[in-house]
This record gives sequence, structure tokens and C-alpha cells, in this order.
Amino acid sequence: AQTVTQSQPEMSVQEAETVTLSCTYDTSESNYYLFWYKQPPSRQMILVIRQEAYKQQNATENRFSVNFQKAAKSFSLKISDSQLGDTAMYFCAFISNNAGNMLTFGGGTRLMVKP
Amino acid sequence: EAQVTQNPRYLITVTGKKLTVTCSQNMNHEYMSWYRQDPGLGLRQIYYSMNVEVTDKGDVPEGYKVSRKEKRNFPLILESPSPNQTSLYFCASSLNWRAKEQYFGPGTRLTVT
Repeated sequence: AQTVTQSQPEMSVQEAETVTLSCTYDTSESNYYLFWYKQPPSRQMILVIRQEAYKQQNATENRFSVNFQKAAKSFSLKISDSQLGDTAMYFCAFISNNAGNMLTFGGGTRLMVKP
Repeated sequence: EAQVTQNPRYLITVTGKKLTVTCSQNMNHEYMSWYRQDPGLGLRQIYYSMNVEVTDKGDVPEGYKVSRKEKRNFPLILESPSPNQTSLYFCASSLNWRAKEQYFGPGTRLTVT
């Protein structure tokens, strides 16, 4: 079974600064996907970024980028130029490419962006 | 607009009173699933459905039932709710089981007293 761990329950950052959220996972599989989801106070789950394990290049979406270290089973999210609207709960998630379609989530990191 | 809808959004009920949370998607997706979200635990899958009339257990199925009689609908049934089922529930769908990007509904906050 896969596990996903987010070791930072809460973080804060000043507006316009950069913050990195950590995520580690454990799996015996070699073919999988990793995601970061954002959950603002509205509770809606919003996909921020995805990474296919077979791709060596780190994914980037505007101000959001990941540092994917497959050997270390690490998948951190970097938010550049933080904005007040980035205040949310962030979840790291894993999904196998081979066995079903179940997302395995970490426990979440609550991020507060301060003005 | 392509979306997943859930009803109700909020529900307070008492122990043992049967309830159903509805989920509907308008994207003709084959795969649908239910998750519950609890503090510190993230989201955990309750049940999933690969297609009409095909359902299976996820990680935490105890105390829940589902059915998939139509492609667009995937209701979650709690026949005898208990306080430990107080949680935030999400329905999600994807094109099929190979399509890894899933679309989430807005969530249903359930409180069982």
C-alpha cells in the first residue's frame, strides 16, 4: 500500500515571498502520478499541479513548481510570489498508473499568506 | 458547465437515521468515487465505481453503501449513521479508471449527533 506524508501541518509566508511545502511518499511501484491539490476556505478541491513519475522534468504551472526527487520519493511544492489568495490547505496525493484510480492523500498543510 | 454536484451541502442528523448524499456529473465520466476528509488524515476513499453497476470498496467502506444505476449518478448511502461518520464528504469523477485527473464535487459537511 502507498502512503503519503506531509510533515508540516501549518506554515505561513509573507505576501510576495516564496514558500516550499514538503511531501514524501512510499511506494514499490515505478509508474505513478503525483498531484498537489489546493483547498481554500470554500472547501473546493482544486488541482494545482501534476507530475508523471516517468518524466524527469519538474512540472511548472505559473507561480507553482515542484521538485520531484524520484529516488528519494520526495515531491515538494514551491509557491513563488505568494498571494493572499494562496491561503488554503494543500494536499499532496499519489495515484498508481497500474492499479485502479484511488488517490492516496497526505494529511495536508495549512498555508497562511500574511499581508 | 462541466461539473460534479453534490446534495445536500450541509446535513445535521441523528444517530441511526438513514440518509443519502447524492452525486451527479455531467461529463459522461465512467469512473466515480467517494472520499471522506478528516483532520490530519487527508481524504480517504470510501467506494468507487468503474462504470454502471460496477462498484467496489475503497479504503474505508464500513458503514456505507453505494449504487450506480445510471452513469451520471453515484449516491452515497448511510443506512445507520453514527457519530464517527461525522466528516466532510467529496464525490469525484474521471473519464475512466485510466484517466488520472479527477474532478471533485463541492463537498458535503455531515454531522451525526
